[in-house]
Amino acid sequence: EVQLVESGGVVVQPGGSLRLSCAASGFTFDDYAMHWVRQAPGKGLEWVSLISWDGGSTYYADSVKGRFTISRDNSKNSLYLQMNSLRAEDTALYYCAKAGTYSQDAFDIWGQGTMVTVSS
Amino acid sequence: SYVLTQPPSVSVAPGQTARITCGGNNIGSKSVHWYQQKPGQAPVLVVYDDSDRPSGIPERFSGSNSGNTATLTISRVEAGDEADYYCQVWDSSSDHRGVFGGGTKLTVL
Repeated sequence: EVQLVESGGVVVQPGGSLRLSCAASGFTFDDYAMHWVRQAPGKGLEWVSLISWDGGSTYYADSVKGRFTISRDNSKNSLYLQMNSLRAEDTALYYCAKAGTYSQDAFDIWGQGTMVTVSS
Repeated sequence: SYVLTQPPSVSVAPGQTARITCGGNNIGSKSVHWYQQKPGQAPVLVVYDDSDRPSGIPERFSGSNSGNTATLTISRVEAGDEADYYCQVWDSSSDHRGVFGGGTKLTVL
C-alpha cells in the first residue's frame, strides 16, 4: 500500500524551530519529487516547498523562503521540513505529498498531515 | 505571482451536474489538476492534466481547460460528492511554485 505518514507537529512558541518528518512506503521513493503543502485551520491549501528526486533542487513559497528548509534521505525513504523563526501565521496542518506518477506537477498521494501550532 | 480564482460555493441537487470553475490568466496554457477534500480528510487527486482521471476515480468526474477558465464537471452528483474542491497548477513563469485556487464548497441539496 502506498503511504505517507507525517510526524513532528507540536505547539511551539513564536520564533521557535521545529522539524517535520514524512515516512514513505509502498513506492520507489527516490523516483519522485516530493512536496509539503499546508492548510491553516478553516482555510484552503497552500503549497510550501518542493524537492527533486535527488535533493538537488529545492523551491519554496515566498511566505517561507529563508525560514524553512526541505530535505530528504532516500536511504530512509524520508522527507523533512526544517522550520525556523516560526510565526503565528505558520499555524497549519502540514501535509507531505508525492509528485504525480503520470503528471509530475500534480500531487497524487497525500499523508494525513501533522498539526503545527505557533502560539505563546 | 499567478492567481487562481474559484467560486466559494456551488450547490446542486442529487442526480444533476455540478460545474466548478477555476479562473486564471491564460490558464489554458497550463496543466490543471483538481482535488477533492472531505471534512477531516486529506485531499484526493480527482483530475490531472486538465481532463485525465487517476485510477479509481469515477467517470462522473471530468475536466476541461481553455482560455482563462478551467472547469471540473461532476455528472450525476451523489451525496458523497459533497466536499471542498481545489484547482492547482504549477507556475514556472518566474520561479517554480505550486498554486492552488481558494477552493469551492460543493453542497448537494
